Amino acid sequence: NAGVTQTPKFQVLKTGQSMTLQCAQDMNHEYMSWYRQDPGMGLRLIHYSVGAGITDQGEVPNGYNVSRSTTEDFPLRLLSAAPSQTSVYFCASSPRTSGGARNEQFFGPGTRLTVL
Amino acid sequence: SQQGEEDPQALSIQEGENATMNCSYKTSINNLQWYRQNSGRGLVHLILIRSNEREKHSGRLRVTLDTSKKSSSLLITASRAADTASYFCATDRSQTGANNLFFGTGTRLTVIP
Repeated sequence: NAGVTQTPKFQVLKTGQSMTLQCAQDMNHEYMSWYRQDPGMGLRLIHYSVGAGITDQGEVPNGYNVSRSTTEDFPLRLLSAAPSQTSVYFCASSPRTSGGARNEQFFGPGTRLTVL
Repeated sequence: SQQGEEDPQALSIQEGENATMNCSYKTSINNLQWYRQNSGRGLVHLILIRSNEREKHSGRLRVTLDTSKKSSSLLITASRAADTASYFCATDRSQTGANNLFFGTGTRLTVIP
């Protein structure tokens, strides 16, 4: 299994440009999420999905859109990039919870985005 | 912010020594997880402790959880240079089926050979 993959690894955008960060997992996990990591801030949840066709907002959703048309893919779209969106973006997945139990999350290698 | 906090922010020790990192959080939780992040890489899950557990072991890792004090500690025994990384605690507080995690700001551990 490849686990969680993210593309691209690095990206530089100009203010106002749009782009899509790709995330895919081959573990048949139902739960997927996007985080951003800023220096000294830890990781903050942007959007998440509990299954195909279902998405919801996290802590910092403004400026980002997501969709989940398949179990495997969970792309993150930046609609109009701003310098404040310069960050490292991580995608994660975990299997369906059962009986109220929660599971570890599996993280991708990250996408380092710079917005000029 | 709903994030937890780890302390210390940075820790430097000699190889073979033990390393202890602490995490505090603010609300009730389902579980607390610890992750490791090597420089420039993604996060790797280390250990999960549920809210009804007080202590858990995994190899050289020992995690404790005190829900009355809303705190946890991660102990790495007999540290190695390869343990050099940032360590994050993350809390699961969701009341729904979502598996959302809230991360602390991390402890940067340096193990000197």
